[in-house]
Amino acid sequence: QKEVEQDPGPLSVPEGAIVSLNCTYSNSAFQYFMWYRQYSRKGPELLMYTYSSGNKEDGRFTAQVDKSSKYISLFIRDSQPSDSATYLCAIRNTGKLIFGQGTTLQVKP
Amino acid sequence: DVKVTQSSRYLVKRTGEKVFLECVQDMDHENMFWYRQDPGLGLRLIYFSYDVKMKEKGDIPEGYSVSREKKERFSLILESASTNQTSMYLCASSSPDSGNTIYFGEGSWLTVV
Repeated sequence: QKEVEQDPGPLSVPEGAIVSLNCTYSNSAFQYFMWYRQYSRKGPELLMYTYSSGNKEDGRFTAQVDKSSKYISLFIRDSQPSDSATYLCAIRNTGKLIFGQGTTLQVKP
Repeated sequence: DVKVTQSSRYLVKRTGEKVFLECVQDMDHENMFWYRQDPGLGLRLIYFSYDVKMKEKGDIPEGYSVSREKKERFSLILESASTNQTSMYLCASSSPDSGNTIYFGEGSWLTVV
């Protein structure tokens, strides 16, 4: 079993839709959870960072961690065409990051 | 802003060539990393370094080596490039002082023919 699993999509939504991106992980000891956004032919950039369980909100983005289910989510409200990118979940394990495969999102005008 | 610079964005090399990928960061970060990214496989860690002249193997070190002679510079070396090393290579850095947030460079696209 992979340590972090993420549905690669692709996911296509109309502009203005609410987007839900999800990952599952295997090790209940993980504490630090991240979402990176990667535009085509660019390096990943940190979008959200969450420690332990709970929600964290930043503008149109909400990161959610459910440690009991070992499930992490990223919600995008009022999605925009500029949100079209690959979204990677990542879990920090002793200074290194373990990444999901990434979900490719396309927001259509 | 943290800047991680990968000097070569696009390279085409022949099988058997020795390839150097250079990475420089300007934030005095202790930790540096090399990942490769392939469709369907995500990012996989090749090597990382916690300090000058120190290196640790990641998940897929075979066919690669690294060099860290200065704190700001971390080089990835393909001793004898093979076609299965065609990929996007990403350098990254982090520091405990910045919460160990990992910052990535723009990536180097390597094609081995």
